[in-house]
Amino acid sequence: GQQVMQIPQYQHVQEGEDFTTYCNSSTTLSNIQWYKQRPGGHPVFLIQLVKSGEVKKQKRLTFQFGEAKKNSSLHITATQTTDVGTYFCVPHSGGGADGLTFGKGTHLIIQP
Amino acid sequence: NAGVMQNPRHLVRRRGQEARLRCSPMKGHSHVYWYRQLPEEGLKFMVYLQKENIIDESGMPKERFSAEFPKEGPSILRIQQVVRGDSAAYFCASSPGWNYGYTFGSGTRLTVV
Repeated sequence: GQQVMQIPQYQHVQEGEDFTTYCNSSTTLSNIQWYKQRPGGHPVFLIQLVKSGEVKKQKRLTFQFGEAKKNSSLHITATQTTDVGTYFCVPHSGGGADGLTFGKGTHLIIQP
Repeated sequence: NAGVMQNPRHLVRRRGQEARLRCSPMKGHSHVYWYRQLPEEGLKFMVYLQKENIIDESGMPKERFSAEFPKEGPSILRIQQVVRGDSAAYFCASSPGWNYGYTFGSGTRLTVV
C-alpha cells in the first residue's frame, strides 16, 4: 500500500486548546481515510476524503485534503478529554486489491 | 446491526499450541481484513479476504499463520505453534467494498505464556 508520513507522533495539549495532525505523501493519493483509536480500544472510521481541496467538518473536527491530493490534515477545536487517542491517516490506493496500511498515527494526550 | 464480532476477546495459549481467532463481519459486508497490533505500535496489515478467496496476504508471515473466509461462517485466523512473539491484539475489520471505510471489531488479545 501507499505510505504517508504523519506528524507529530505525540502531542500534549491542555484541555480546551486546539490540536492539528498532518499527513504528507510524496505521491498523489486516490483518497485518504481518517481513523481514531482510543486507548485500549479499536480503530473507528471517521471520514474519507476524495476530492482535491475537500474540507469536511464533524462538530469540532475539520478534515482537509490538499489541492494536489498529497497531504491532509485533521484539526480539532477546543479539545476535550474524550478526544484522547491515536489518530491515523490512511491512504487508499484506489486499486481495490490491497488492504489499507496504517502508520503509527498521532497520539493525542490531553491534560485537564 | 451487531457490528463486527470477534471472539474470543481474550485468549491465552501456551507456547506450541494453536490459536484460532474468529471474526463475523457486519451484515452485508463481503470484505474482511485482519490486522495485528503490538503494544505501543501501529496496526500491521496481515491479510485481506473475500468469500472463499484471499485477495492480499502480503502482510501474513509465511509460516504458522493462515486465514480463511468460507462461504458459510466466520473468517478464521489460525496461528499454529504459537510463540511469545505472537502475543498481540488481533483486529478484524470488514467493509462492503474496497472503496469504503473499515468497521473494526473489538479485537482478540492473544497472550502466549
